[in-house]
Amino acid sequence: QKEVEQNSGPLSVPEGAIASLNCTYSDRGSQSFFWYRQYSGKSPELIMSIYSNGDKEDGRFTAQLNKASQYVSLLIRDSQPSDSATYLCAVNMGGGSNYKLTFGKGTLLTVNP
Amino acid sequence: DAGVIQSPRHEVTEMGQEVTLRCKPISGHDYLFWYRQTMMRGLELLIYFNNNVPIDDSGMPEDRFSAKMPNASFSTLKIQPSEPRDSAVYFCASSLLPTGDTIYFGEGSWLTVV
Repeated sequence: QKEVEQNSGPLSVPEGAIASLNCTYSDRGSQSFFWYRQYSGKSPELIMSIYSNGDKEDGRFTAQLNKASQYVSLLIRDSQPSDSATYLCAVNMGGGSNYKLTFGKGTLLTVNP
Repeated sequence: DAGVIQSPRHEVTEMGQEVTLRCKPISGHDYLFWYRQTMMRGLELLIYFNNNVPIDDSGMPEDRFSAKMPNASFSTLKIQPSEPRDSAVYFCASSLLPTGDTIYFGEGSWLTVV
């Protein structure tokens, strides 16, 4: 069974702090990795994608990938109350043109004013 | 574009009844996905279509579930007969390509089976 694991949280941080969200995956051959944000009662929306080892920055968000350790993380700098949501890690485990986007169960983040 | 449109948004039904969920993908998207989300199991892929053809239905939980895509602008997910354990949020999503960075989710259909 190919899996994506996340700490369920909740993760609580004060406003302005750095929030760190972690994810591990079981399929060593996976090549594409994504972070989605899901507000309560809403649908998931993509916030970051990463394909190569290292860091990828987009505004206050930084995704980090380490394929050797099968580990993906998301850092949110200067956290805002509007960042309070569930963050879903997703890994495409299909390979080639076969789609198999597998999601973790998500980490609930609360940013306290 | 209006995005992925799902109906109904909310449905409460009795055990044993048939449930039909509907989805209109974004125009021009060749891929359509049905996902189910529960607290226990998270977001699970049930089935996906490419150009109206089912490609992978390995996530469909059992024969009570069926999905169709008769044309490029419409898909249904049917549960017959429904059971309380089917209570979940069902998301339809569509995508230009089979990758995670071009996928757009609908607002979901919240199903409660009593």
